[in-house]
Amino acid sequence: DAGVIQSPRHEVTEMGQEVTLRCKPISGHNSLFWYRQTMMRGLELLIYFNNNVPIDDSGMPEDRFSAKMPNASFSTLKIQPSEPRDSAVYFCASSLSVGKLFFGSGTQLSVL
Amino acid sequence: DAKTTQPPSMDCAEGRAANLPCNHSTISGNEYVYWYRQIHSQGPQYIIHGLKNNETNEMASLIITEDRKSSTLILPHATLRDTAVYYCIVRVATNFGNEKLTFGTGTRLTIIP
Repeated sequence: DAGVIQSPRHEVTEMGQEVTLRCKPISGHNSLFWYRQTMMRGLELLIYFNNNVPIDDSGMPEDRFSAKMPNASFSTLKIQPSEPRDSAVYFCASSLSVGKLFFGSGTQLSVL
Repeated sequence: DAKTTQPPSMDCAEGRAANLPCNHSTISGNEYVYWYRQIHSQGPQYIIHGLKNNETNEMASLIITEDRKSSTLILPHATLRDTAVYYCIVRVATNFGNEKLTFGTGTRLTIIP
């Protein structure tokens, strides 16, 4: 199994630009999570899906952030417009068993 | 979910057992203890979880006290590759609707050659 696949690994963009992060969960997993990690705030859950349906998006910082899961094998996290304070590592994770998450390698986002 | 308390950092000599403590004095009867670790620049990795009995797998052992107010993760023969931040998380293992995990600050474990 290839594990959770995230792309791109690194993204550098300018303030105001749209950023789209992508995630392919492990096949057969029915829950998908988006986390953000910074030095100041640690690992924060942004949103999670169950069976492609968003269940809890209370961690999404503001309307500039949106996430979709059009099918069981793909999810996107979009930031529009991006701001320097969005700079962070964004992780995607998937799971089949409650509490046992498998994380991707993350996307390092830098907004200049 | 119950709150956990972990020491911010620990050192352990290579080849020795690393014992990482976690306090969760407000844990409820239906809450499990989960352990994850995060090696530098990688995503968190699941290690082990348990409810009240001690658990062991190929990575580690989990010892939960009888009153369940604290637990210890044991890496039996630590190697340099075990240097990471270790997170102790307590949560209810329910199904649909409440799967999220909340990570605290964890313990930064450094294995010393």
